[in-house]
Amino acid sequence: AQSVTQLDSHVSVSEGTPVLLRCNYSSSYSPSLFWYVQHPNKGLQLLLKYTSAATLVKGINGFEAEFKKSETSFHLTKPSAHMSDAAEYFCVVSDRTSGTYKYIFGTGTRLKVLA
Amino acid sequence: NAGVMQNPRHLVRRRGQEARLRCSPMKGHSHVYWYRQLPEEGLKFMVYLQKENIIDESGMPKERFSAEFPKEGPSILRIQQVVRGDSAAYFCASSPLRLADSSYEQYFGPGTRLTVT
Repeated sequence: AQSVTQLDSHVSVSEGTPVLLRCNYSSSYSPSLFWYVQHPNKGLQLLLKYTSAATLVKGINGFEAEFKKSETSFHLTKPSAHMSDAAEYFCVVSDRTSGTYKYIFGTGTRLKVLA
Repeated sequence: NAGVMQNPRHLVRRRGQEARLRCSPMKGHSHVYWYRQLPEEGLKFMVYLQKENIIDESGMPKERFSAEFPKEGPSILRIQQVVRGDSAAYFCASSPLRLADSSYEQYFGPGTRLTVT
């Protein structure tokens, strides 16, 4: 079975400092992994995706993530946080084993950015 | 190119009433997924549909919930005889699901927030 674990439910950073949101995955296949962001009372926006091409994936708004097979990790980073980054972030694995490609979500990390 | 549309955005129902949630996928997308987000939780898969077919409904509660995606018109998630525990945000996502070029990310609508009183 495939799954993702987001290690921190809440992360607080000061504006201008680096962001690290941690995600570990479990998969018996080469996984397809995604990071989505959800602002309050809004839908989900795709930040970036990994689909077995380059292990360092660049996304929108300065975010990037590195796929590390040896550590089964797909952590999300950003060099410098902005106030507008405050939101909920979800790590997602696509279920390729069932052929449906349905998403399996982590429990989310709420990012707070302090002025 | 319009995104995934969902309506209504907010829906209030009394216990025992029916709730109908609509989802229009992005143009050119023939795959629709429904997810439910309970307060302070992540999203959980409910059902996956293609036009006129339910492909995977393993996440749907056994009773009161149904979904369809007709040949014409939006996908509908229907909840009969709603109870307070059905209060949640329901998100629809669509995908082109072109496996040849790994284009199978899902695009999410803004969600319908259902409140059962």
